[in-house]
Amino acid sequence: EAGVTQSPTHLIKTRGQQATLRCSPISGHTSVYWYQQALGLGLQFLLWYDEGEERNRGNFPPRFSGRQFPNYSSELNVNALELEDSALYLCASSSGTSGSTDTQYFGPGTRLTVL
Amino acid sequence: AQSVTQPDIHITVSEGASLELRCNYSYGATPYLFWYVQSPGQGLQLLLKYFSGDTLVQGIKGFEAEFKRSQSSFNLRKPSVHWSDAAEYFCAVGEGTGTASKLTFGTGTRLQVTL
Repeated sequence: EAGVTQSPTHLIKTRGQQATLRCSPISGHTSVYWYQQALGLGLQFLLWYDEGEERNRGNFPPRFSGRQFPNYSSELNVNALELEDSALYLCASSSGTSGSTDTQYFGPGTRLTVL
Repeated sequence: AQSVTQPDIHITVSEGASLELRCNYSYGATPYLFWYVQSPGQGLQLLLKYFSGDTLVQGIKGFEAEFKRSQSSFNLRKPSVHWSDAAEYFCAVGEGTGTASKLTFGTGTRLQVTL
């Protein structure tokens, strides 16, 4: 069974540009989560999508947005990039069927560097 | 709001020695607890999880963890560490409301294994 996949592996942008990160969940999973792992800040919850809807959002500005497609894959968009957006962005998926006991499985991440 | 504390930022053990990584959580209801491991430049791999039932949980790679409600702890243990266990370990608590949940992570413990 294929795991969570993310693309691209690395992304280099300059300040003010937009970045688009992609995630494909495990087959059969309907929930997708995005986390930011920035140096010195740890793992921070960004967004949660389930069945195409945004269900929860972490404490991030509106320039962080995303969507979930009918095939449950997801896209994270970061507009007006700032230097501090440089981080590893991790996507996770879960089955969305067990409620609060869902287990999240993580992808390898996308390393975003903002110059 | 829930929180997770991993008091040890960095631990060094000799190969073959036993290991215990500490995790304390703060959460008002029944916690859903996880341990993940992250190798350099990689995503997170689930080691084990606790939802309910037996407070001693077995995971992959010979790891186990014990949930102690009275101490609000979920420490990770391994009787004999291998050099390949060198990585960063994250404890997380799942917010158990509604469908699915976000994870709140501790700051991680970096494990170094000496030969």
